[in-house]
Amino acid sequence: DIQMTQSPSSLSVSVGDRVTITCRASQSLSSFLAWYQQKPGKAPKLLIFAASSLQSGVPSRFNGSGSGTDFTLTISSLQPEDFATYYCQQANSFPYSFGQGTKLEIK
Amino acid sequence: QVTLRESSPALVKPTQTLTLTCTFSGFSLTTTAMSVAWIRQPPGKALEWLARIDWDDDKYYIASLRTRLTISKDTSKNQVVLTMTDMDPVDTATYFCARGTVSAVAGTLFDYWGQGTLVTVSS
Repeated sequence: DIQMTQSPSSLSVSVGDRVTITCRASQSLSSFLAWYQQKPGKAPKLLIFAASSLQSGVPSRFNGSGSGTDFTLTISSLQPEDFATYYCQQANSFPYSFGQGTKLEIK
Repeated sequence: QVTLRESSPALVKPTQTLTLTCTFSGFSLTTTAMSVAWIRQPPGKALEWLARIDWDDDKYYIASLRTRLTISKDTSKNQVVLTMTDMDPVDTATYFCARGTVSAVAGTLFDYWGQGTLVTVSS
């Protein structure tokens, strides 16, 4: 199985900050990498697919990059509604393993 | 519009069998490249894939739970059912179902999820 290592596990940030989350895969994924946002008590919401493609309806402040084994999610200017936990997920092969999550907390 | 909804008992006893039902609308599991997967999340922990069933009835299971899981579909009812045998308190989690579509560009994309159902395993 492909292992996904996400960092950091948590981040204390302020509204307006630029936030970067990284994800590393144990083997090459090409561009088969997705990012999700999850708020407490809710299902994950797809933000980015194919490493850098924005899902319909997702604000343009969310940006994904990377290929192969190293990927990044960047939020250009954090908004109050962005405080949540973010997960990367490999979309290459079943089981579609997730990273451990990055929780964004208010500083 | 695509929707998925999970249903299950909220409480099961250890050693019992859990039956989870995903009822969906807005797409068909007879359409090429469509799939439905089950994912769970123990309280405060990360997400874990359990099983997937494809439009052509191919089935996939996470290796660590392979002997306990069975996934099936009823296309006439737009439902996918996952059974998990020999439940244990460590299986306490919120269980989600999600729609998957396979593309050459994105791999397998899970774009719509149900709201989840919390299952507690306790005597």
